[in-house]
Amino acid sequence: KNQVEQSPQSLIILEGKNCTLQCNYTVSPFSNLRWYKQDTGRGPVSLTIMTFSENTKSNGRYTATLDADTKQSSLHITASQLSDSASYICVVRGKTSYDKVIFGPGTSLSVIP
Amino acid sequence: NAGVMQNPRHLVRRRGQEARLRCSPMKGHSHVYWYRQLPEEGLKFMVYLQKENIIDESGMPKERFSAEFPKEGPSILRIQQVVRGDSAAYFCASSPQESEQYFGPGTRLTVT
Repeated sequence: KNQVEQSPQSLIILEGKNCTLQCNYTVSPFSNLRWYKQDTGRGPVSLTIMTFSENTKSNGRYTATLDADTKQSSLHITASQLSDSASYICVVRGKTSYDKVIFGPGTSLSVIP
Repeated sequence: NAGVMQNPRHLVRRRGQEARLRCSPMKGHSHVYWYRQLPEEGLKFMVYLQKENIIDESGMPKERFSAEFPKEGPSILRIQQVVRGDSAAYFCASSPQESEQYFGPGTRLTVT
């Protein structure tokens, strides 16, 4: 069964600190992996996308890594800000005849002053 | 280019009533997806539609739920005879082809 798992389930960090969120997946064959940020009460917004051949992708203070061999991805946030408080969702797209995607359960990040 | 529009943003229904959720995809997008998010849970795929066709409804409950994406007008997710367990946020996303999905703000359904 195709699955996407994320850890930790929730995380609290102090403003200015760094953190790393993990995503493990078993989706196969694999097309791409995205990290989304979902603010409370809003729809998800894409942060990064990586294909099979890409190892790392940055978007400002967000850096995503991908190891397609071990089927693991991480999202690193540097110098966290209060506005980073949100749910971060790992989404994996399989290589099927249509673009069905598998959502992870998300990691809830709280940045406190 | 306006983003994905969903309305209403908030919907309150009594048990047994019908709920109709609307989604207008981004201009030029012919693929629409509906997701449900229960409180404190992740998004769950419900249905994938292209204009006038349901491509994948494997995430849709077999009864009371239906979706359409007519040639003209928004996509509609219809829930008949709502129950308290239907209370959730319903998100719509759209994409032009097999590419990134852009999400709408969601409709929060409360069943009393």
